[in-house]
Amino acid sequence: QMQLVQSGAEVKKPGSSVRVSCKASGGTFTTYAVTWVRQAPGQGLEWVAGIIPLYGTTTYAQNFQGSVTVTADEATNTVNMELSSLRYEDTAVYYCARADYYYDSSGHPRLDAFDIWGQGTMVTVSS
Amino acid sequence: SYELTQAPSVSVSPGQTARIICSGDALPKQYAYWYQQKPGQAPVLVMSKDIERPSGIPERFSGSRSGTTATLTISGAQAEDEADYYCQSLDSSGDYVFGSGTKVTVL
Repeated sequence: QMQLVQSGAEVKKPGSSVRVSCKASGGTFTTYAVTWVRQAPGQGLEWVAGIIPLYGTTTYAQNFQGSVTVTADEATNTVNMELSSLRYEDTAVYYCARADYYYDSSGHPRLDAFDIWGQGTMVTVSS
Repeated sequence: SYELTQAPSVSVSPGQTARIICSGDALPKQYAYWYQQKPGQAPVLVMSKDIERPSGIPERFSGSRSGTTATLTISGAQAEDEADYYCQSLDSSGDYVFGSGTKVTVL
């Protein structure tokens, strides 16, 4: 059974950037997408972005367009998420998750269920 | 922006049925997915494509969707089902939206 292992907690200053990694063990991302979801302290879940590693196809939530970049390294079976221009409101636990994907009637890739999740990475933005 | 609406909390007695409702304008055209999250843990998928129960999820969990509403039902709730439950769907702009979450208390 595939597991997703995320990098460790980070403390960053406002205006800086952070990179969080998500490595697959016990399997590969070859036929899957990887998505990122965040959860601010005491709050609900918020979708951030997704990538199909096989093709490098990315999709970003409207709220994160321009501030998040997701990349994949097939050689190491790792997906990275970089969040730039950090603000205090970006303090959250960031989760990666595996997802199936399909193509809709317009040919756009769409994510299916987020079926395997990483353990989460706490990113704290503090001066 | 598109929203999925959930009641903040639902209480159920052990062995009774809990229904968690999610409402959204895009639901007539899009699947609903459900995630369970216990304190300090990552979410777990408990229902896919409205009605598909992933492997390992107990049979007491079932799902349905009709019109603008999706429902996750726990038949015969147990103490270990106490958690936050989030619905999720796709909106017209291509964002994957989560509901605000429903805290299920079994008492």
